[in-house]
Amino acid sequence: GNSVTQMEGPVTLSEEAFLTINCTYTATGYPSLFWYVQYPGEGLQLLLKATKADDKGSNKGFEATYRKETTSFHLEKGSVQVSDSAVYFCALVSTDSWGKFQFGAGTQVVVTP
Amino acid sequence: GAGVSQTPSNKVTEKGKYVELRCDPISGHTALYWYRQSLGQGPEFLIYFQGTGAADDSGLPNDRFFAVRPEGSVSTLKIQRTERGDSAVYLCASSLSHGGGQETQYFGPGTRLLVL
Repeated sequence: GNSVTQMEGPVTLSEEAFLTINCTYTATGYPSLFWYVQYPGEGLQLLLKATKADDKGSNKGFEATYRKETTSFHLEKGSVQVSDSAVYFCALVSTDSWGKFQFGAGTQVVVTP
Repeated sequence: GAGVSQTPSNKVTEKGKYVELRCDPISGHTALYWYRQSLGQGPEFLIYFQGTGAADDSGLPNDRFFAVRPEGSVSTLKIQRTERGDSAVYLCASSLSHGGGQETQYFGPGTRLLVL
């Protein structure tokens, strides 16, 4: 079956620090990979996605590269802001399970001034 | 335009009662999805609809759970004989079509269900 494993939180950083959240996956078929973000009191929002190997998704200064050889999709941002404090979810949907997102457990990120 | 909306935002019920949770997808979106999110966990797939029909209901945990989408727009998730373990946030999402893995799913704010 399909699964997503992401690093446990909370991750606490100072403003302007570098952020990495690790995400690895197992999947049958050919997955598309996503990062969703949930800000406090809000619903899940798509942050970025990549649909094939070596694709790089980017948005709001965040980046993630689809690495098939290491089955990874790590999220990075070079300089975080307090407003980036949120819970980040890695997710996949695979060719043998279209529509059925498989989410990781989420990683809480806390950015302090 | 309006996003996905869900009502009620919070629901408290007693064990054994029946509840209905409603989802209004983004206008024009033909695909609709239900997920359940327990505390500290990622969302877990329950069911999705393409139009009026349930295309995949393999995530429904048991026959106490049922969902409908009679006119291809609004959907209702129904839970019979609620149990304390049903307490969670129920999320609804919609996408323009069920066009495979490249379709972005847009999520609603969720309904927080508490079964006492």
